[in-house]
Amino acid sequence: QQPVQSPQAVILREGEDAVINCSSSKALYSVHWYRQKHGEAPVFLMILLKGGEQKGHEKISASFNEKKQQSSLYLTASQLSYSGTYFCGTDITGAGSYQLTFGKGTKLSVIP
Amino acid sequence: DTEVTQTPKHLVMGMTNKKSLKCEQHMGHRAMYWYKQKAKKPPELMFVYSYEKLSINESVPSRFSPECPNSSLLNLHLHALQPEDSALYLCASSQGFPRGGANQPQHFGDGTRLSIL
Repeated sequence: QQPVQSPQAVILREGEDAVINCSSSKALYSVHWYRQKHGEAPVFLMILLKGGEQKGHEKISASFNEKKQQSSLYLTASQLSYSGTYFCGTDITGAGSYQLTFGKGTKLSVIP
Repeated sequence: DTEVTQTPKHLVMGMTNKKSLKCEQHMGHRAMYWYKQKAKKPPELMFVYSYEKLSINESVPSRFSPECPNSSLLNLHLHALQPEDSALYLCASSQGFPRGGANQPQHFGDGTRLSIL
């Protein structure tokens, strides 16, 4: 089942902060975050695993609330390079699964 | 530049043509994926190969035929496609199970933009 992302779009000025949310109706084993710029490949940002482990970039932070089946991506002191569409991908099937279902995306635009 | 290389970057084909999309990675990953992405939509999983064996087929029509000749290569053979198959086709790779699975990052190629006339 497809996770729900919010907001659908957000416009920021450089230096402002943003939070992107991802929620699921099913129990989550992991949550992935990717950013895709127009005409480019999705780029990995972060993985949050059941049990608290995180893998990803130092400058990006995220949280994973297993009980609420939610994850949030925190973008602080935004830069122009942060612009793009952010997708969360969720694994609801568990160990050994390769199956990610992506949310519809959040379009982030950072303006000077 | 991405570490997953896809060719061609663009492909235009008629509904009766046969063509193939190619994907290559040299990161030692043992899981490889095909995704389909329509404009302004998220990637949709089509196929997963794990250790060169088809692991997931997301009920994809038989006009799409995947092939994994070795651990570095992934092909998608196309035949008798429909106009609605026009999309960006993304290849990705990740470490294979037991170290991998959905708890490892996926590395995407730049995709092949496919147009069906």
